Amino acid sequence: ETTLTQSPVLVSATPGDKVTISCKASQDIDDDVNWYQQKPGEATTFIIHEATTLVPGIPPRFSGSGSGTDFTLTIDNMESEDAAYYFCLQHDNFPFTFGGGTKVEIK
Amino acid sequence: QVQLLESGGGVVLPGKSLKLSCAAIGFTFRSYGMHWVRQAPGKGLEWVAVTSNDETKKRYADFVKGRFTVSRDNSKNMLYLQMNSLGTEDTAVYYCAKARYSNINFGMDVWGRGTTVTVSS
Repeated sequence: ETTLTQSPVLVSATPGDKVTISCKASQDIDDDVNWYQQKPGEATTFIIHEATTLVPGIPPRFSGSGSGTDFTLTIDNMESEDAAYYFCLQHDNFPFTFGGGTKVEIK
Repeated sequence: QVQLLESGGGVVLPGKSLKLSCAAIGFTFRSYGMHWVRQAPGKGLEWVAVTSNDETKKRYADFVKGRFTVSRDNSKNMLYLQMNSLGTEDTAVYYCAKARYSNINFGMDVWGRGTTVTVSS
């Protein structure tokens, strides 16, 4: 089973900040990583697939990078609406596994 | 608009069964694989199960241990999760999620809002 270690657990950011979230895999998973955003009371939003590809309709301030074992989600010029819980998913092998999640809050 | 609407959650005694449903709206359901994912209170997300679009391929998390069965009715645009021998550790919000393609090897692109299952005596 592939373990995804996501960090940090909590980020406090000011609008306009750059936010970086890390997701490290316990084994090589190529680029089979997706990123999601979850807000209370709303359906989860799909934001990045195959590690680097932005989902259509997602603002370009979101970007993903990495391959193999190290992956990063970056929010450039953060906006207040980006306050949410973010998590990574690996779909390289079964069982699919998720990172522990990162809560991004507005300072 | 693409939507997934889960139902069937509730409070159930340990050892009992529960069947969750997920109604798919706004897309060609029979063309896509479907997942179940859960999140226990205060915990992270756990992948539970997946079925291909035609049910020829299914995979389960190890903790399911033969207790859960994922199924679908493409004529009704419905996904199901039959859960037997429930334990308190199965208490969670259960989400259904659409796979990006027909087979089971891809992640999810659309999620429902979840249905809550509480296993308690």
